[in-house]
Amino acid sequence: QKEVEQNSGPLSVPEGAIASLNCTYSDRVSQSFFWYRQYSGKSPELIMSIYSNGDKEDGRFTAQLNKASQYVSLLIRDSQPSDSATYLCAVAPGTYKYIFGTGTRLKVLA
Amino acid sequence: EAQVTQNPRYLITVTGKKLTVTCSQNMNHEYMSWYRQDPGLGLRQIYYSMNVEVTDKGDVPEGYKVSRKEKRNFPLILESPSPNQTSLYFCASSFVGGGNYGYTFGSGTRLTVV
Repeated sequence: QKEVEQNSGPLSVPEGAIASLNCTYSDRVSQSFFWYRQYSGKSPELIMSIYSNGDKEDGRFTAQLNKASQYVSLLIRDSQPSDSATYLCAVAPGTYKYIFGTGTRLKVLA
Repeated sequence: EAQVTQNPRYLITVTGKKLTVTCSQNMNHEYMSWYRQDPGLGLRQIYYSMNVEVTDKGDVPEGYKVSRKEKRNFPLILESPSPNQTSLYFCASSFVGGGNYGYTFGSGTRLTVV
């Protein structure tokens, strides 16, 4: 079992819809969780971090964390074509250990 | 502007010819790390540094060396590159460890070893 699992996609959603990206992780001691956005040929960019169970909202983005289920998700409301990218989930079991998923490719259709 | 600067952006080299990829950050971050990204394998950590003169191996350190003589710089050295080191490389930095605050990434170096 991979330590951080994401569906590779592509996940296709129409413009204006909600995109839901999911990530599961195996290390129960993980305390910090991150979502990065990576455009094709570019470097990853941190868009959300979450540390406690529940929801965290930042503009059109909402991160959701359920530590009991070892599950973290990212919702993108009012999806735009410019949101088309690969979204990387990252989990930190410790300060100096940091594990990335392989990413989910999102396509927002105009 | 707060940033992580990597050079070069693109590099084509031959097997066995030593090369260095430079990385510099201007955010006074203690923690710096190198990753390689390959299709289907995602980002894998090569080496990391918790502060000046403190480095440790990541998940795929074989064939690579690093040094951290100054806080801002963290070069990646391939002493005898091989074709299996063809990849997209990213340098990243963070306050303390990336697990607390998340990373700022450099623009990447696409390396081809022939």
